[in-house]
Amino acid sequence: GIQVEQSPPDLILQEGANSTLRCNFSDSVNNLQWFHQNPWGQLINLFYIPSGTKQNGRLSATTVATERYSLLYISSSQTTDSGVYFCAATNTGTASKLTFGTGTRLQVTL
Amino acid sequence: NAGVTQTPKFQVLKTGQSMTLQCAQDMNHEYMSWYRQDPGMGLRLIHYSVGAGITDQGEVPNGYNVSRSTTEDFPLRLLSAAPSQTSVYFCASSSLGRGGYSNQPQHFGDGTRLSIL
Repeated sequence: GIQVEQSPPDLILQEGANSTLRCNFSDSVNNLQWFHQNPWGQLINLFYIPSGTKQNGRLSATTVATERYSLLYISSSQTTDSGVYFCAATNTGTASKLTFGTGTRLQVTL
Repeated sequence: NAGVTQTPKFQVLKTGQSMTLQCAQDMNHEYMSWYRQDPGMGLRLIHYSVGAGITDQGEVPNGYNVSRSTTEDFPLRLLSAAPSQTSVYFCASSSLGRGGYSNQPQHFGDGTRLSIL
């Protein structure tokens, strides 16, 4: 099946800083999603982005499918951005099996 | 609109006991799935369903059963609980995209924290 790798595994930022999270995947994808798991354990869907660029407030994401990576940008970080960010993907061969990366744990400090 | 509802939120079992984790969604989604989340390992797919009467195995199906008799409900059964099944379990749902694939945004429940002694 598809392999999904995320970097960095951990990230500490001061409030107001910007950051870029990376997701590499091993095969062509027809589904790439970014999630935020908050400190209470809830998983929130941030972006559905198998290709191209999307923006939602201070967050944006870009997927370059031909080069097999996706980036999540967080600008002007806030303490509420803390948590774990996951990317997940399916490829055309296993199109109903979503594979998650191991996540990037983000801590935003005052 | 409740979205995806999981019950119970917490459960403690003894080794060998059986139980059913409940998952219900009110968005008329065809696709439903179960994941387990263990520390440092992200989420791993247990079983999934693309519609009533259709289920299939994910990455870690052993020790778990599912059935899908209605569009709304997708229960997960532990047949004989083992300490290795201590985990947080998440249910998710989505609509199906072109070709009948689950390539649509996934909506997650709040999880069930299960401990097996």
